[in-house]
Amino acid sequence: GDQVEQSPSALSLHEGTGSALRCNFTTTMRAVQWFQQNSRGSLINLFYLASGTKENGRLKSTFNSKESYSTLHIRDAQLEDSGTYFCAAEGYSNTNKVVFGTGTRLQVLP
Amino acid sequence: DMKVTQMPRYLIKRMGENVLLECGQDMSHETMYWYRQDPGLGLQLIYISYDVDSNSEGDIPKGYRVSRKKREHFSLILDSAKTNQTSVYFCASSLEGKGDTQYFGPGTRLLVL
Repeated sequence: GDQVEQSPSALSLHEGTGSALRCNFTTTMRAVQWFQQNSRGSLINLFYLASGTKENGRLKSTFNSKESYSTLHIRDAQLEDSGTYFCAAEGYSNTNKVVFGTGTRLQVLP
Repeated sequence: DMKVTQMPRYLIKRMGENVLLECGQDMSHETMYWYRQDPGLGLQLIYISYDVDSNSEGDIPKGYRVSRKKREHFSLILDSAKTNQTSVYFCASSLEGKGDTQYFGPGTRLLVL
């Protein structure tokens, strides 16, 4: 079935720095959604993309359907950015199912 | 204010007991989902509901059933809970499903002893 490979599995950043998270897809996906799961366990919607790039504050996400990947860039990381980030990809099947990556655990250090 | 609610938030049950997890949404979303989250596995889809009484198995439906009698409510039922069903359960909803953002509830942490 459809698979989503998310990397890195864990990441530490110092405040003010940045990095990129990536999801690779084994099949062509219709859309991707990125979430942050905070320390309380809540899942927060970050982006939904069917193509191209979206930006919101210090976060930017790109979805390249043709090359089967999506990225989430974090710049000027803050302590509150700590948490686990998931991508979830939607395939072209007739169902409405999405497949989740296994997450990137981000720790922002002072 | 768009919201997905889940009850209860925490639950402890003994093996063999029945479990009822409730989910509600106030957005008139057609599609609702139940997932479980386990360490290292991300979120796995248990069931999906396209509307009232229109439910479909997800990737790991065994040991679960669902009920959707009203558009705003979606219940997950465990008949005779097993210890390997200890997990965090998330409900989500989306307007039409395909091509639409999923909104998640706060999760229910279930411990089966």
